[in-house]
Formats: sequence, structure tokens, C-alpha cells
Amino acid sequence: KNEVEQSPQNLTAQEGEFITINCSYSVGISALHWLQQHPGGGIVSLFMLSSGKKKHGRLIATINIQEKHSSLHITASHPRDSAVYICAVDGGATNKLIFGTGTLLAVQP
Amino acid sequence: DAGVTQSPTHLIKTRGQQVTLRCSPKSGHDTVSWYQQALGQGPQFIFQYYEEEERQRGNFPDRFSGHQFPNYSSELNVNALLLGDSALYLCASSLLRGEETQYFGPGTRLLVL
Repeated sequence: KNEVEQSPQNLTAQEGEFITINCSYSVGISALHWLQQHPGGGIVSLFMLSSGKKKHGRLIATINIQEKHSSLHITASHPRDSAVYICAVDGGATNKLIFGTGTLLAVQP
Repeated sequence: DAGVTQSPTHLIKTRGQQVTLRCSPKSGHDTVSWYQQALGQGPQFIFQYYEEEERQRGNFPDRFSGHQFPNYSSELNVNALLLGDSALYLCASSLLRGEETQYFGPGTRLLVL
């Protein structure tokens, strides 16, 4: 079993829909990262969370430390949101990230 | 202010050859981490450099080695390349004791034939 699990693995949505991607982890962490990767492209950091909730534009990330679970929400989804969304956890003061396998999101017009 | 830069962007090598990939961290960052991302997989941690020393290492063989220079830039070297080394190699920089996230470079895509 992977230390970081994401669901769903693949997600297809219609433009305008509200999207949720989930991440569960089994190790103690100091922070959780949500990352975005476009096909063939590098990785862009969306959020770093250690507690609570963060919002940036149409993106919202939440984390529940007790339940070892985080969610990434996209409101009013758009085709340009189509990408792989990756959850990664930082296990301590080492900055070493453990990655989930990603969620491939396709938003259709 | 340039973010994290990597070179080259693409590289084709043959089995048994050696390769060197380069990374320049975001200005002000002192820590560089290297990750390997095979096709369809999540990135896997290779190693991390701070103060010109390898701080920690993932589950990669000794064929993978690195270096960090006084200006914090870093190199990843892979010897005796195997077909399975074909992947996207990502560099990420951060402050060792900082509160902010890691910043990723665009990656170097290595193809071993």
C-alpha cells in the first residue's frame, strides 16, 4: 500500500462542474502539497498546507490532520484546468516529498 | 527573478552511457532535491543536497550521484544508463528551514535507447 493514496485516478467533468480530488496518507507529516502537472510539462505548486483550508482563485484545499486526509476542490471548472493533480506529503524537516500517483483530470467544454 | 531552471530540456542517450543533468535553484534557496518521474507514475525522490552535501537519499542505486556547488546549483549524474532510466527528471528547490513550498523546475526528459 502506498503511503500517499489519491482518488479518483481519472476524472472527467463538464465545464462548470465542481470537482473534488481526495488524498489520504499514512505517515506523519509536517505539510501537504497539492501540485499540478500539464501533459509533458513540469510541476507547479498550487498549495502547501499544514492545517485548515487555503483558497486561491477557484481552487480550495483543505486538510484534516487527525484523519490524515486532504481534498482539493475546483469550482466552476474550465478546460484549462485539465491536468494531473498530485498530492505530496513532507514527512518532517527534511523537505523530502512523498508523492501520490496523481489524478488525471479532463474538463470537457 | 528566475525560478528553478534545468538543462537540458531533452536528452537521448544509449545504454551504458553516462549523463549529467543540471539545475539552478530559485534565487535565495539553499536546498535542491532531485526526483525521477517515470511515464504514468508519480515522482520518486532520488536525493537532496544542502551545503554541498547529500543530506538524504531515496531508494536509488549508486549509479545515481550528485553534486551541489557553492552557488547552490546542482548536478545529477547517472552512470551506466539502463533503458529503465528513461524518465522525466525534476529538480526542486527550497529553503531548508523555510516555511514556503518547494519550487519545481520544468524537468529534463531523458530517453535511453
